[in-house]
Amino acid sequence: SAVISQKPSRDICQRGTSLTIQCQVDSQVTMMFWYRQQPGQSLTLIATANQGSEATYESGFVIDKFPISRPNLTFSTLTVSNMSPEDSSIYLCSVEERRDGYTFGSGTRLTVV
Amino acid sequence: QKEVEQDPGPLSVPEGAIVSLNCTYSNSAFQYFMWYRQYSRKGPELLMYTYSSGNKEDGRFTAQVDKSSKYISLFIRDSQPSDSATYLCAMKEAGSYQLTFGKGTKLSVIP
Repeated sequence: SAVISQKPSRDICQRGTSLTIQCQVDSQVTMMFWYRQQPGQSLTLIATANQGSEATYESGFVIDKFPISRPNLTFSTLTVSNMSPEDSSIYLCSVEERRDGYTFGSGTRLTVV
Repeated sequence: QKEVEQDPGPLSVPEGAIVSLNCTYSNSAFQYFMWYRQYSRKGPELLMYTYSSGNKEDGRFTAQVDKSSKYISLFIRDSQPSDSATYLCAMKEAGSYQLTFGKGTKLSVIP
């Protein structure tokens, strides 16, 4: 299965600032996904990133708050903008693998103070 | 009613016990069912991926799907302390890429 490297693994940020999370996959993939995992809540899909096109955002998530880049078939970034304590969460990237379901990165644990 | 219901636990069992983890769902369009294991401070790791109703076995793990009842289960035989983790069920519709997750059940296997 694909190996996903996600950086940073954790960060503590001041409110009002932005953080960019990187996701690197060891193989070329068409679609990459960004999820949020809030304490006590289900993993929730933020957006889907295809190379060469704008990301597709799920209900409740907007590009201004979570801009995404997808410059090639192995890399994507998610930025959490103008952060508030409510953005404290684990952010995960994921890729779909044929017949094998979806693989996740190890996540970025974000704390906003 | 949420689309996927999963008892968050925590569930504590002695080593060697058989563990049963369950999810119910309301969307009859869900066709693909997955179980993930998530250790503390790690990303979810895929354990089982099933499509049809019935059982699928992989080592000590058995996934069971009952589409008529909208109910899925994961059984862990001869549970080990290393099985202590949060178990997430996930499902998706055919032709869709979006996974819908349960909240996860935290399992502790006591030596």
